[in-house]
Amino acid sequence: SQTIHQWPATLVQPVGSPLSLECTVEGTSNPNLYWYRQAAGRGLQLLFYSVGIGQISSEVPQNLSASRPQDRQFILSSKKLLLSDSGFYLCAWSVRDRQPQHFGDGTRLSIL
Amino acid sequence: AQSVTQPDIHITVSEGASLELRCNYSYGATPYLFWYVQSPGQGLQLLLKYFSGDTLVQGIKGFEAEFKRSQSSFNLRKPSVHWSDAAEYFCAVEAGNNRKLIWGLGTSLAVNP
Repeated sequence: SQTIHQWPATLVQPVGSPLSLECTVEGTSNPNLYWYRQAAGRGLQLLFYSVGIGQISSEVPQNLSASRPQDRQFILSSKKLLLSDSGFYLCAWSVRDRQPQHFGDGTRLSIL
Repeated sequence: AQSVTQPDIHITVSEGASLELRCNYSYGATPYLFWYVQSPGQGLQLLLKYFSGDTLVQGIKGFEAEFKRSQSSFNLRKPSVHWSDAAEYFCAVEAGNNRKLIWGLGTSLAVNP
């Protein structure tokens, strides 16, 4: 069966520090991969999605970037974190277009 | 533009009572429809999906949802709520084969003992 791993579960970082969140999927090949941010009471905001290695689509201009160095690995990064980057970050995968997305357990990011 | 509306931000029900969470979407054709549940501090879990066919779909944990084209709705129901159902519920729509889901803002469900 397929599983998705996302880490770390919680992270506290100072303003201006770099960020790297990692997500890996097991048990499937060439999945669609997604990064979301969830702010309290505001639902899910799609940040990036990827349909293959090195293929990244950005949904909103922001201080973050994403990379997909391997088929089942998706990384969310920032060179310098802002206070506004705080939130709950979720990684998800789907087997292909127009199929349900399956989520990791999320990373709670707090910026001090 | 496509949109998803969950009119109820917060709902409180008593344990054992029936539940209906509303979801309305805006899209010209029949979309793919999903309901997800999120427990505090956790990721989202798929409850059920509708792609085509029978408009009443069954999901996990005793949930069901009915697609009503005439009302552009996909309401989630459960005949008897358990305390463990307290969570945030999200409706989502995939419309137009653009690989993205459009999300409602969620309904927070509280269950009184």
